[in-house]
Amino acid sequence: AQTVTQSQPEMSVQEAETVTLSCTYDTSESDYYLFWYKQPPSRQMILVIRQEAYKQQNATENRFSVNFQKAAKSFSLKISDSQLGDAAMYFCAYRNFGNEKLTFGTGTRLTIIP
Amino acid sequence: NAGVTQTPKFQVLKTGQSMTLQCAQDMNHEYMSWYRQDPGMGLRLIHYSVGAGITDQGEVPNGYNVSRSTTEDFPLRLLSAAPSQTSVYFCASSRPISNEQFFGPGTRLTVL
Repeated sequence: AQTVTQSQPEMSVQEAETVTLSCTYDTSESDYYLFWYKQPPSRQMILVIRQEAYKQQNATENRFSVNFQKAAKSFSLKISDSQLGDAAMYFCAYRNFGNEKLTFGTGTRLTIIP
Repeated sequence: NAGVTQTPKFQVLKTGQSMTLQCAQDMNHEYMSWYRQDPGMGLRLIHYSVGAGITDQGEVPNGYNVSRSTTEDFPLRLLSAAPSQTSVYFCASSRPISNEQFFGPGTRLTVL
């Protein structure tokens, strides 16, 4: 079974600074997908960014980018120019290729300091 | 499109009561699933369905039943609620091989 580990229960960052959230995973598969979801106080789950394991290039979405290290099974999220609206729980998630089941990490609560 | 809708948003039950959490999607997605979210544990898969008439168990299925009679609806039934089922429940849907699951707004359930 796959597992996803987020070792930082809480993180904080000054507004406009950069923060990196860590995620490691364990799998014996070679084809899979990785995701970062944001959960603001509204409770809605919002997809932030996704990475296909077969792609060597790291995914980027505006201020959000990932550092995907397949050999190390590491998938960190970098948020640049942090904004107050980035305050939320962030979940790392894994999905096997050909399977829709998501395995989530335990989450990191991100606080933005004005 | 309304996306994925869940009702109710909040519910309080007494131990032993039964209820159904409703989930519907209007995107014609084949895949639907139920997750529960507990503090410090992330989201865990309860049951899922790859199409009408097909359901299967996830990681934490005990105490829950599901059925999928239509593509649009995927209700989650608690037959005899227990305090351990106090949680926030999320429904999600997607098309096969897509790279995004769409989540509903969640139902906060408290079992006393």
